[in-house]
Amino acid sequence: AQKITQTQPGMFVQEKEAVTLDCTYDTSDPSYGLFWYKQPSSGEMIFLIYQGSYDQQNATEGRYSLNFQKARKSANLVISASQLGDSAMYFCAISRREYGNKLVFGAGTILRVKS
Amino acid sequence: DTAVSQTPKYLVTQMGNDKSIKCEQNLGHDTMYWYKQDSKKFLKIMFSYNNKELIINETVPNRFSPKSPDKAHLNLHINSLELGDSAVYFCASSSRTSFKFFGPGTRLTVL
Repeated sequence: AQKITQTQPGMFVQEKEAVTLDCTYDTSDPSYGLFWYKQPSSGEMIFLIYQGSYDQQNATEGRYSLNFQKARKSANLVISASQLGDSAMYFCAISRREYGNKLVFGAGTILRVKS
Repeated sequence: DTAVSQTPKYLVTQMGNDKSIKCEQNLGHDTMYWYKQDSKKFLKIMFSYNNKELIINETVPNRFSPKSPDKAHLNLHINSLELGDSAVYFCASSSRTSFKFFGPGTRLTVL
């Protein structure tokens, strides 16, 4: 079975600063993928970034980067230069690498960006 | 140019009624999913279809019946609605080379 743990129910960050959202995972699968999604107050689920378990380099997408530490089973999301629009719920998720498999989500972290 | 669309966006109904939620994707993906987000924001898979074939069926009451008429559509029919069915239901789709994209969600309220 796969499991995601997000230990931070809520986080505050000052505008323009960087913030790290924690995610640890548990899986017995040798091949898996890690995902981060953003859910703003409007409710939609927005895909942010993906990291494959065999990827050598940490994934980056614009201001988002994934700090992947395989031995520690952690996949933290780093948001640089926070903006007010980054205020949202953030979900970490894991999926088996095989095609079509389900996402198992963590409980989420609410991020609030202060001006 | 909406990628994954769902209708309706909001659904308010009485206990015991039967209702359907429709999902369509224009991404050419061949796998589609239904996820449920409860009042505590917890997201969980319900069903997954690949090329119209059911491949994931989590422990969902059989009052919930997905139907996939073709690989671009995955509908969710719910019989005898109960208060506990109130939630946001998300449709999603993916392909071998593309990650899971979610629809806007349908907020179901059972009174």
